[in-house]
Amino acid sequence: GQNIDQPTEMTATEGAIVQINCTYQTSGFNGLFWYQQHAGEAPTFLSYNVLDGLEEKGRFSSFLSRSKGYSYLLLKELQMKDSASYLCAVRDALSGSARQLTFGSGTQLTVLP
Amino acid sequence: ETGVTQSPTHLIKTRGQQVTLRCSSQSGHNTVSWYQQALGQGPQFIFQYYREEENGRGNFPPRFSGLQFPNYSSELNVNALELDDSALYLCASSPRGEETQYFGPGTRLLVL
Repeated sequence: GQNIDQPTEMTATEGAIVQINCTYQTSGFNGLFWYQQHAGEAPTFLSYNVLDGLEEKGRFSSFLSRSKGYSYLLLKELQMKDSASYLCAVRDALSGSARQLTFGSGTQLTVLP
Repeated sequence: ETGVTQSPTHLIKTRGQQVTLRCSSQSGHNTVSWYQQALGQGPQFIFQYYREEENGRGNFPPRFSGLQFPNYSSELNVNALELDDSALYLCASSPRGEETQYFGPGTRLLVL
């Protein structure tokens, strides 16, 4: 089975940097995803890590350590529109051909002016 | 915009009824997955279809069933609705050869 943990809530100030952590325990591993979800909307894809290291994409970066079962999403130069839930999701190797994702419960980020 | 659409946007049903939710993805997206998201939780995998056949299923009872059609549309059917089925139902599709799943806007189902 899968177990994915991320903080429930975080608060940060506009213009600041925030790091959202995610730890996972899986029977196998086949990639980790981060999604952003605004209230009442669909999750939108942010990043995908399958190898160790840092992936940078504009203001957002995602890091993965497979040996530690750990990832983080780094958001720089925070804007008010970044207030949303951030979902960590893992695809385990047992999925086989199915692209089954197991999601954490999400981290609700509030950006204050 | 992901190019994935779902209908209806909202739906109210009563316990014991049946419901069909629809999803339409882009041309070339040959894999579609359905997820259930309860309030304050992450999405939970229901099942996945690839080339019109189910090729993976989560921990959901058989009263949750689906179909995928050749025109890249799909359906989620839920029979004998229960109060706990109230949730946001998300459809996600993947382009051929890609790992990433792109989500539709969802259907919010309320069971009374």
